[in-house]
Amino acid sequence: GENVEQHPSTLSVQEGDSAVIKCTYSDSASNYFPWYKQELGKGPQLIIDIRSNVGEKKDQRIAVTLNKTAKHFSLHITETQPEDSAVYFCAASEKGSQGNLIFGKGTKLSVKP
Amino acid sequence: GAGVSQSPSNKVTEKGKDVELRCDPISGHTALYWYRQSLGQGLEFLIYFQGNSAPDKSGLPSDRFSAERTGGSVSTLTIQRTQQEDSAVYLCASSLGWRGASTDTQYFGPGTRLTVL
Repeated sequence: GENVEQHPSTLSVQEGDSAVIKCTYSDSASNYFPWYKQELGKGPQLIIDIRSNVGEKKDQRIAVTLNKTAKHFSLHITETQPEDSAVYFCAASEKGSQGNLIFGKGTKLSVKP
Repeated sequence: GAGVSQSPSNKVTEKGKDVELRCDPISGHTALYWYRQSLGQGLEFLIYFQGNSAPDKSGLPSDRFSAERTGGSVSTLTIQRTQQEDSAVYLCASSLGWRGASTDTQYFGPGTRLTVL
């Protein structure tokens, strides 16, 4: 089945710097890749997603890139702010649309003011 | 509009007792999912409901876990004879159900933190 690996597990940056989180997946049929942000004591919230027909998607300070050949995708956050501090999860669809979402183990991002 | 709601927010129980966790999905969403999140871990899929179809129970860790969804809306996750290793945050999500379990955008509730003493 699908296996999603996420790196790094923790990331600390200075306010204003960029943060990059990377994920790899194993199922070549995967075609949907969402990213979720989870703040302490809350459920995960979708921040951006990408489908396999595009290679990059941007929403203000957040961007996601997808390399289907290499089977990896990345989250880029520019001009980080303290409120970006949270745990970020990547996920990949399993068996195209016939399986489930498989999540990475998360990255704890700390943005220091 | 209202998001996914879950109750209770916290539940402390003794080993061997049964617990019921409730999820109210977003109105109009036909798909509903349960996940388990252990401390410092990712989300582990438990079960998926889509409309009137038979649920996908492939993620349930043992026969002590069961879930039902009455009337295509509210869902209850039941854990019988709880064990200490069941301690975790149980998350519910819902989606429109247009595309399929793995490619629909899922919206999560705040979770129920279960502690088994």
